[in-house]
Amino acid sequence: GQSLEQPSEVTAVEGAIVQINCTYQTSGFYGLSWYQQHDGGAPTFLSYNALDGLEETGRFSSFLSRSDSYGYLLLQELQMKDSASYFCAAPSNQAGTALIFGKGTTLSVSS
Amino acid sequence: GAVVSQHPSRVICKSGTSVKIECRSLDFQATTMFWYRQFPKQSLMLMATSNEGSKATYEQGVEKDKFLINHASLTLSTLTVTSAHPEDSSFYICSARVPGQGSSYEQYFGPGTRLTVT
Repeated sequence: GQSLEQPSEVTAVEGAIVQINCTYQTSGFYGLSWYQQHDGGAPTFLSYNALDGLEETGRFSSFLSRSDSYGYLLLQELQMKDSASYFCAAPSNQAGTALIFGKGTTLSVSS
Repeated sequence: GAVVSQHPSRVICKSGTSVKIECRSLDFQATTMFWYRQFPKQSLMLMATSNEGSKATYEQGVEKDKFLINHASLTLSTLTVTSAHPEDSSFYICSARVPGQGSSYEQYFGPGTRLTVT
């Protein structure tokens, strides 16, 4: 089976940096993705790590350590609009099947 | 980027009736689409994988006779909730893989359909 664990809630203030962790247990590993979902909206893709290290995309970065079965999403220069749920997700196998999602982390950014 | 649409966005139906939800890829062909359901403040739970021209693959615990999936064309998959009950009330979201990607790590999601069964 597969499971992805992440904290349920994180709070921060505008301009701050926040890190959302994700630990996973998977029968095989085919990379770790991150998605953002605003309340009532569709999930949108943020980033993907197939290999160890840091991937940077603007204010958002994602890190992966396969030896530790661990990854994180780093959000810098937080803005109010970043208040949303963030999900780590992993393909269930290599051949283009569906994603398995973590339970999601609700980020609340205050002024 | 590619767009996935869903229709309707909201639907209220009476217990015992059936509801059909459409998922369309607007500017690309999707041989595979995925259906998820999401309860408030919870994660997306995969229900089934919809393959064009063949039977859907259902996840364990999902009743295939209750949640009928049809993927009749490369741009349309439908989910029909049959004999709906209040416990079927949820947010249903479809997605499609990004064309050209071998893995499914990046998917385009539809805006979701909120189903309320009274």
